[in-house]
Amino acid sequence: DGGITQSPKYLFRKEGQNVTLSCEQNLNHDAMYWYRQDPGQGLRLIYYSQIVNDFQKGDIAEGYSVSREKKESFPLTVTSAQKNPTAFYLCASIKEANQPQHFGDGTRLSIL
Amino acid sequence: RKEVEQDPGPFNVPEGATVAFNCTYSNSASQSFFWYRQDCRKEPKLLMSVYSSGNEDGRFTAQLNRASQYISLLIRDSKLSDSATYLCVAGFQKLVFGTGTRLLVSP
Repeated sequence: DGGITQSPKYLFRKEGQNVTLSCEQNLNHDAMYWYRQDPGQGLRLIYYSQIVNDFQKGDIAEGYSVSREKKESFPLTVTSAQKNPTAFYLCASIKEANQPQHFGDGTRLSIL
Repeated sequence: RKEVEQDPGPFNVPEGATVAFNCTYSNSASQSFFWYRQDCRKEPKLLMSVYSSGNEDGRFTAQLNRASQYISLLIRDSKLSDSATYLCVAGFQKLVFGTGTRLLVSP
């Protein structure tokens, strides 16, 4: 089955630690996105990538980093500079611009 | 002002009722419009795209009013399983999500 796989489902971060969230898709989609969702708030765009080896900052990129070395993979690193990382992180992809996004089932990140 | 605004609700309706949600967007250049459904602690899932001429999918009808920059979703004959948060999405190249409208359907 084609889809988007995020791992892990739950992640705990110690203070001062960097953690990496995985996002893999086998839909042959060109563009991939990372969002953060906090209770009572909508999805906020962290980073997006429209092609391999290229990515753009979204609205809340500070404290995060990404890479896009392969079309299928778009990992997100939450660095120690992100002081409030506790949230639900969602990865999405689309084949072409202006089409609906398909989401992975998310990673819940909490601080220990 | 938020780029995409929705009434957070909750909308409490009995089974069988008809309920409508509205959503406004501020970017007049928006070309793509969608409604997503999100269940508690789950990822959003596409409910339907919204086309200029309006479109229907079973009990769900979506409409777009470009002049007033709003999108609507109508749910007829509500089911218990319709209880969820409904996210409005609008954009051009970059999609912007609303914060969602919560629907609770009771027996």
